[in-house]
Amino acid sequence: EAQVTQNPRYLITVTGKKLTVTCSQNMNHEYMSWYRQDPGLGLRQIYYSMNVEVTDKGDVPEGYKVSRKEKRNFPLILESPSPNQTSLYFCARPQLADVRETQYFGPGTRLLVL
Amino acid sequence: AQSVAQPEDQVNVAEGNPLTVKCTYSVSGNPYLFWYVQYPNRGLQFLLKYITGDNLVKGSYGFEAEFNKSQTSFHLKKPSALVSDSALYFCAVREGGSYIPTFGRGTSLIVHP
Repeated sequence: EAQVTQNPRYLITVTGKKLTVTCSQNMNHEYMSWYRQDPGLGLRQIYYSMNVEVTDKGDVPEGYKVSRKEKRNFPLILESPSPNQTSLYFCARPQLADVRETQYFGPGTRLLVL
Repeated sequence: AQSVAQPEDQVNVAEGNPLTVKCTYSVSGNPYLFWYVQYPNRGLQFLLKYITGDNLVKGSYGFEAEFNKSQTSFHLKKPSALVSDSALYFCAVREGGSYIPTFGRGTSLIVHP
């Protein structure tokens, strides 16, 4: 079964303490992306990756980094988290091999930055 | 530039009645349009999409959406609502040359018994 997994699912941290949210997929897709969801703002794309070692900024990349050393994994890194990064985060990959197809979302990571 | 609007934050409907969740879009060129649903404490699930072809698109769970090019709309519909349809619904649009879909703010659908 095609899956996107994220860890952790819930995280409480303090301002400035570096954290990483992992994302992995089992379908060997080239394209992966990260979104954040905030009430009243919908989903906004943070970063996306077209392939290994190929990443690009989405709509709201400030304060985030990503890494794509292998197809399977696409971690989201917050070097110095701030309270305005408290949000619900989703990793996604295309439903099919074509990047233009619908997105398949992971279960989400709820982050609280104190 | 691509954009999408969901003008209603919340839609209330009685069980058994028809429902409509509105979405309008703006793109350069042909649009690729999608609807997703998010149940409480869950990720987003794909409902249906319009790429080209028939203006009435049928999707999962009995939902359908009507593409109207002149009104630049892609409203989500269901003939008879269920309480279990209560969820957050997102419309998304992508221009032909873009890899980044733009999502609407979401509409909370509440179906009353």
